[in-house]
Amino acid sequence: GDSVTQMEGPVTLSEEAFLTINCTYTATGYPSLFWYVQYPGEGLQLLLKATKADDKGSNKGFEATYRKETTSFHLEKGSVQVSDSAVYFCALSDRGFGNEKLTFGTGTRLTIIP
Amino acid sequence: DTEVTQTPKHLVMGMTNKKSLKCEQHMGHRAMYWYKQKAKKPPELMFVYSYEKLSINESVPSRFSPECPNSSLLNLHLHALQPEDSALYLCASSPSRASGSETQYFGPGTRLLVL
Repeated sequence: GDSVTQMEGPVTLSEEAFLTINCTYTATGYPSLFWYVQYPGEGLQLLLKATKADDKGSNKGFEATYRKETTSFHLEKGSVQVSDSAVYFCALSDRGFGNEKLTFGTGTRLTIIP
Repeated sequence: DTEVTQTPKHLVMGMTNKKSLKCEQHMGHRAMYWYKQKAKKPPELMFVYSYEKLSINESVPSRFSPECPNSSLLNLHLHALQPEDSALYLCASSPSRASGSETQYFGPGTRLLVL
């Protein structure tokens, strides 16, 4: 079945540091890939997405590129801020099976210190 | 507008109570979802409604009863819950499969405490 493996957390960085959160996936169909962010006490917000190989999703300074050859969708940001502290979930939706199920990674808790 | 609203924001109930969670979206989405999220875990899918019909039930206990009165509304009726059912309950919606987009948009959640 489908699966998503995310970098273990928690991750603690200083403000303005470079961020990478690794995400790799296994899917049998044609997945779309997503990054969701969850701030403390809130629901999930869609951060970015990519629907086919070599697509790059970007939003709020975050980027991730759909790499089919390495089955990866790593999240990056050049200079993090304290306000980026949250839990980040990588997820996939395998459209090839015609269903709407999202498969989530375990989440990575990110803390940015001033 | 990509807003999904959920009420109430917080709910405390006893094990003999009956309560309902409500979810609403006005984006014209035709698929709606209920998820359960425990602390420090990813969301777990409970139910999917597609075109107002239940399409996926992830073997959820019968004390959880979903209802989709129309394409904009999704309810989750709760009865005789257990303390281990305490969690954040998230609603999500997505456009129809025919539109080519399966991106799910989440609401803020209802934080449920069962005493």
